[in-house]
Amino acid sequence: NAGVTQTPKFRILKIGQSMTLQCAQDMNHNYMYWYRQDPGMGLKLIYYSVGAGITDKGEVPNGYNVSRSTTEDFPLRLELAAPSQTSVYFCASSAEGRGTEAFFGQGTRLTVV
Amino acid sequence: TQLLEQSPQFLSIQEGENLTVYCNSSSVFSSLQWYRQEPGEGPVLLVTVVTGGEVKKLKRLTFQFGDARKDSSLHITAAQPGDTGLYLCAGSYSGAGSYQLTFGKGTKLSVIP
Repeated sequence: NAGVTQTPKFRILKIGQSMTLQCAQDMNHNYMYWYRQDPGMGLKLIYYSVGAGITDKGEVPNGYNVSRSTTEDFPLRLELAAPSQTSVYFCASSAEGRGTEAFFGQGTRLTVV
Repeated sequence: TQLLEQSPQFLSIQEGENLTVYCNSSSVFSSLQWYRQEPGEGPVLLVTVVTGGEVKKLKRLTFQFGDARKDSSLHITAAQPGDTGLYLCAGSYSGAGSYQLTFGKGTKLSVIP
């Protein structure tokens, strides 16, 4: 039972570098989300998608991009890493957008130095 | 941005004690969820409430949704060390933002043996 799989689990980036955080789910969920979690700040929504080919901004989208070419995959791209992007990133998916359970991956801990 | 306020932010209690944590907003939720997160893991759903005044029980955990659907509480009876973790409430709002799940900052609970 894979559920939501995120890679990598840990990464250190230098300022200005780029990287893609991978997220894949095998539950055939239409809705997928990217959150970041900073200490004492809960989870903030970066981007979400309601289906293949459809994405939209969340609360904190600046500095990030996403794509959704398939139902299964929802990668998050950081183009020019900044120290403010140091955080733990969680990908989640749900069968519907409202009131249904969101399943989370184990997270990617990113440090930008 | 819809805000969810959780209180208290931190809670340290002895095994066997009872406790209540709160989740409040000025906005009306279409549904509200409680998640529990352990260190190094993603949040895991505990319960979803959708009807004003609804009460749900999960073993020693009792969840209540306010009549006006603006607030919720989680009560734990006879807390155990295994209850230690970060408790997050998440609200889904009706209208244009209904695809988004907005999280509170969480209550970090420590149960001391």
